[in-house]
Amino acid sequence: EVQLVESGGTLVQPGGSLRLSCTASGLSFSSYWMTWVRQAPGKGLQWVANIKQDGSDENYLDSVKGRFIISRDNAKKSVYLQMNSLRDDDTAVYYCATSTVSMIFFDYWGQGTLVTVSS
Amino acid sequence: SYVLTQPPSVSVPPGATARITCGGNNIESKSVHWYQQRPGQAPVLVVHDDSDRPSGIPDRFSGANSRNTATLTISKVDAGDEADYYCQVWDGDRIDWVFGGGTKLTVL
Repeated sequence: EVQLVESGGTLVQPGGSLRLSCTASGLSFSSYWMTWVRQAPGKGLQWVANIKQDGSDENYLDSVKGRFIISRDNAKKSVYLQMNSLRDDDTAVYYCATSTVSMIFFDYWGQGTLVTVSS
Repeated sequence: SYVLTQPPSVSVPPGATARITCGGNNIESKSVHWYQQRPGQAPVLVVHDDSDRPSGIPDRFSGANSRNTATLTISKVDAGDEADYYCQVWDGDRIDWVFGGGTKLTVL
């Protein structure tokens, strides 16, 4: 059974930093793209960033470019999201997701971790 | 950026067929994927590549894509189908994974 477990979400002040983690089990982690998707309270889904199998390619939502960094450690079956210069509108549940069939959609999701940016 | 438009809500009685649309400019040129999100839970993929179902998804869920509208059809709806449904495409021109705004399905 594929499992993705996120951690690291908490309350942080505007301008602060936070690192989210997602650990996978039940799949050949190093074979797949990994993605972060977020959902603001009461709002829809928004793709944030993703990273290629070997970490050689990354893509970002325009509004997080230069502030967020995605990385992965295949030995630990983990993907990370370093979030800097956080803003109020970054408040959301952040989901880790993967694409085992095709990188254009997401077939497994974690349960999410809540990031609240507020003073 | 590419925009996907969904109706905010759809309501149907139990046993009926629900149709949820997803509009986009020439969307038929793209592969459309659909997710179900029950309250308080993570999204679940229910249809990918317009009309393919992942393992474990009942055949009551089907999809179609034509011209400027993609449609998720759920037949014989029951209370367990009440959820938010999101369409999604990959915009290769901008390297962007785009979601629609979501549709809340209510089973009356």
